[in-house]
Amino acid sequence: SQTIHQWPATLVQPVGSPLSLECTVEGTSNPNLYWYRQAAGRGLQLLFYSVGIGQISSEVPQNLSASRPQDRQFILSSKKLLLSDSGFYLCARSSGDFYQETQYFGPGTRLLVL
Amino acid sequence: DQQVKQNSPSLSVQEGRISILNCDYTNSMFDYFLWYKKYPAEGPTFLISISSIKDKNEDGRFTVFLNKSAKHLSLHIVPSQPGDSAVYFCAASYRDKIIFGKGTRLHILP
Repeated sequence: SQTIHQWPATLVQPVGSPLSLECTVEGTSNPNLYWYRQAAGRGLQLLFYSVGIGQISSEVPQNLSASRPQDRQFILSSKKLLLSDSGFYLCARSSGDFYQETQYFGPGTRLLVL
Repeated sequence: DQQVKQNSPSLSVQEGRISILNCDYTNSMFDYFLWYKKYPAEGPTFLISISSIKDKNEDGRFTVFLNKSAKHLSLHIVPSQPGDSAVYFCAASYRDKIIFGKGTRLHILP
């Protein structure tokens, strides 16, 4: 089976501190991977997607960056967190069906910036 | 510009009755539509989908209806159960692109 792991599950960080959230995928090779943010009262905002190692596309300009150092690893980072970075961060992988795209989500990381 | 719209932020339904969640889209290129269910502090889980060549897809208590001419889809849950209380996201895709709505919070009342 294909499983998505995210850690940490929750994180409380002060403003200005760095961030590193990790996502790993099991059971599939060369998946398309995605980072989403769900902020309070808002929907799912696509932040980054990656079609392969070292290939990152950013959907919105922001304080965050992403990297894909290995095929099944996707990392979300920030050098200096802002209060507005608080939210629920979700990693997702593509089903790989080009014509019937379905995405499957990890358990999420809740980030609170104080 | 929101391509996928869920105009009802929340919905309350009596247990045992039918829950109807609505979704509208603007891009006629979308050809595959999905519903996800999300509990607090968990990732969304895939619920049901429908291809644009169909107008209905049923899976147990869940049925999705697609009206292409109106660019509208709906999710029917019948009968509604307490465990159905969650946020429901509508999504639309074309090839490998998928766009999510902002979600509707469903409350099932006892």
